[in-house]
Amino acid sequence: QVQLLQSGAEFKKPGSSVKVSCKASGGTFDSYALTWVRQAPGQGPEWMGGIIPIFGTTNYAQKFQDRVTITADESSDTAYMDLTSLRSEDTAVYYCARGPLRKVIRPTMTIDYFYYMDVWGRGTTVTVSS
Amino acid sequence: DIQMTQSPSSLSASVGDRVTITCRASQGISKWLAWYQQKPEEGPRLLIYATSTLQSGVPSRFSGSGSGTDFTLTISSLQPEDFATYYCQQYSTYPLTFGGGTKVEIK
Repeated sequence: QVQLLQSGAEFKKPGSSVKVSCKASGGTFDSYALTWVRQAPGQGPEWMGGIIPIFGTTNYAQKFQDRVTITADESSDTAYMDLTSLRSEDTAVYYCARGPLRKVIRPTMTIDYFYYMDVWGRGTTVTVSS
Repeated sequence: DIQMTQSPSSLSASVGDRVTITCRASQGISKWLAWYQQKPEEGPRLLIYATSTLQSGVPSRFSGSGSGTDFTLTISSLQPEDFATYYCQQYSTYPLTFGGGTKVEIK
């Protein structure tokens, strides 16, 4: 059974960046998406974006488009989420999750993939404060 | 963006009760809806995907139904371990979006 092991808690100053890692243990990313979801205190989950390592494709929520980069190293089955220009509102628990792919072939013959999240990491708390 | 609206936002119920939670999408999402359970200090746990497919290991008292814009999660007989917050999530299109949650509390 695959587990997703996340890096430890981070304390950051406003304006700085944070990079959180997520390593698959007991399995690989194979043909799944690896996605990042954050949850601010007392709030619901919020999808930030994801990567499909075998295709090298990424999708980001527009809200984070300019500040987040998600990458994956297939050789080590590790994914990363890099968030820049941190502000206090970024204080949250950041989860990585695995996403089984739903393939959609458009009339234009382009292909999109969407996913739910079947395996979750334990979360990484990022606190942004001066 | 597709907005996911859950109701109620909270409910009180007793062990053994039948509980129904509703999730409404702001536009049609076919059957591409998942449900998660989250307990305090834990990450979400997948319960159901594709509206009604039970994730492996999830008790059969959980069930899902619906299509298009209206969906429900039903717990047929509430157990002590089911007191938690439940979220729906659509994966019909980007951005993937979650509902605001329904907290199930002990009456």
